[in-house]
Order: sequence, then structure tokens, then C-alpha cells
Amino acid sequence: SQQGEEDPQALSIQEGENATMNCSYKTSINNLQWYRQNSGRGLVHLILIRSNEREKHSGRLRVTLDTSKKSSSLLITASRAADTASYFCATVTPDSWGKLQFGAGTQVVVTP
Amino acid sequence: DAGVIQSPRHEVTEMGQEVTLRCKPISGHDYLFWYRQTMMRGLELLIYFNNNVPIDDSGMPEDRFSAKMPNASFSTLKIQPSEPRDSAVYFCASSFGVLTIGEQFFGPGTRLTVL
Repeated sequence: SQQGEEDPQALSIQEGENATMNCSYKTSINNLQWYRQNSGRGLVHLILIRSNEREKHSGRLRVTLDTSKKSSSLLITASRAADTASYFCATVTPDSWGKLQFGAGTQVVVTP
Repeated sequence: DAGVIQSPRHEVTEMGQEVTLRCKPISGHDYLFWYRQTMMRGLELLIYFNNNVPIDDSGMPEDRFSAKMPNASFSTLKIQPSEPRDSAVYFCASSFGVLTIGEQFFGPGTRLTVL
């Protein structure tokens, strides 16, 4: 089974609203990363949070990490139509030698 | 830098034919990853290289798949013979420094259709 699992699987919101998606994982991690994939494109790295960090910001993105609950959340504030994409969390574990283990993704649709 | 370059972008072939996918990583990156993405199985890591040496090929589905990295700027993923169930989008990604792992940079992918 996958290390990271996103919730919800799909999310539909209107422009200007906030979008929140969650990622749960099973084993201890070195870091957790979030990626975005626009339709027909490759994945683009958004943000990385290390296991000793609890929160990080990047522009309109806010990521939290709760290692006790083995979960992370990605918040996109003031969403735009251009934020329409699939969002994936990926974990790096101590024994993974750099391999990223991806979840199934959350498909976000932002309507104007 | 142009980013990770993959070719071809689209490939349509018939069952039984050999398929070769190509990847040029970002200059200076020492890790290269091959992924496959399908609706059913999501994103799967097939194999990855460090300094041109294969480190983990446990994700390669079967012997029909092979990957090489003859130098730091080029890698190939070959499927021989191809089957319809190999239809997927294949991504190449590169990164620098695994133990202090940062982001992976993905190419645009090759969409493979095997008829």
C-alpha cells in the first residue's frame, strides 16, 4: 500500500476560497513534499517540510506537519482558476535512500 | 537550464514492438528517476540511478523493461516487447543529493500507447 494517502480524493471550490487537503502516512519520515500536476504535465515541486518542522509557508501555500499523527496538510489560500490541478504528497523515509513515495493525489478544481 | 528533457512526448506503437524512451536530466544532478503513471496504479517508481549507477530497480515490472544511463546526461528506458498494459505516461526526474533530499525535477513525460 502507498506510504502517503491524500484526502479528499477530489475537491471543487470557487475562486477566492481556500482549499485544504490532507496527507496521512504510515512510517517515520525524513521529510514530506507536496507536488502539483497540471493536466498533461509533469509534477512540479511546491514545498518541502522536514520532520523537525511543524509549519512552512510559501506564497499562498501553507503546509503543516504533525509527526505524532503522521499527517500533513496543504492549504491554498485565495484560490485561483490556475490552481486547478492534482496535488500529491510524497514522503522520504530513513530507509528509502531518497526514494519518494507518492500518494494517489487530490484533484482540485477551482471554478471562476 | 531547460529542465529535464524527455523524448518522444508521445509514442504510439503496436504490441510486440520495441519502445525506447529517452531522458536528459538537469546538468549537475546526480540522481535520475524513472516513474510510470496510470489511472489504476498512480505514480510508480520504476528505477533510479546515482552517478549513472542503478541503485534500485525493484519497481521494474518485468524483464521486458530495462534502463540504462551511459553517462551523466542521458538515460533510456526500453520496453521489449511492448504490451498494451504498458500504456502509461512515463516520467523522468532528476535531483541533487539524496541524503539531504530536496525536490525532484520532473520532465514533461512520454505518453505511451501500445495498441
